[in-house]
Amino acid sequence: AQSVTQLGSHVSVSEGALVLLRCNYSSSVPPYLFWYVQYPNQGLQLLLKYTSAATLVKGINGFEAEFKKSETSFHLTKPSAHMSDAAEYFCAVSDQGAQKLVFGQGTRLTINP
Amino acid sequence: DGGITQSPKYLFRKEGQNVTLSCEQNLNHDAMYWYRQDPGQGLRLIYYSQIVNDFQKGDIAEGYSVSREKKESFPLTVTSAQKNPTAFYLCASSNNRGSSYNEQFFGPGTRLTVL
Repeated sequence: AQSVTQLGSHVSVSEGALVLLRCNYSSSVPPYLFWYVQYPNQGLQLLLKYTSAATLVKGINGFEAEFKKSETSFHLTKPSAHMSDAAEYFCAVSDQGAQKLVFGQGTRLTINP
Repeated sequence: DGGITQSPKYLFRKEGQNVTLSCEQNLNHDAMYWYRQDPGQGLRLIYYSQIVNDFQKGDIAEGYSVSREKKESFPLTVTSAQKNPTAFYLCASSNNRGSSYNEQFFGPGTRLTVL
């Protein structure tokens, strides 16, 4: 069965600093991986997805993620944090058969001025 | 514009009452999902439906019920049997027919508070 672990429930960075949110997955089959962002009291919005094409995936708002099979990781990065990036971020893996998504616990990102 | 709507945005319920949360999509997606979100616990799957007139229990189905009579609609009823219903509820849909992965689109959510 697939599973996702997000390391760090809270991450705090200064405005302009590098953002790194960690995600490790477990999957018995080639995984399909997603990052979603959630702003307060809103639904989830897709940031980017890995679907077995290029291992470096670029998403919206300047975010990108790199799929590393050897490390079973799919970490999310952004070179320079902006105040508007403050939100909760969820990593997810699509289950075998594509019937469900399995979500990590989420990482709350805080941006310090 | 295509999307998913959930209503109401905020809902208050007295203990012992059933309440139904609405979810409608005009994306022509076959599959629909209900999640519950509590602080620090991520998203937990309540029910999902791959096709009209069929649905499956998720990880925390106890105290909830659903129906899928139309492709566009997937209402969730929170029954009095749900012991701790206060939470943020999210509906999602996906068009996974013929796809090898499940990309989901989310509605804006309904915040349910039991008084």
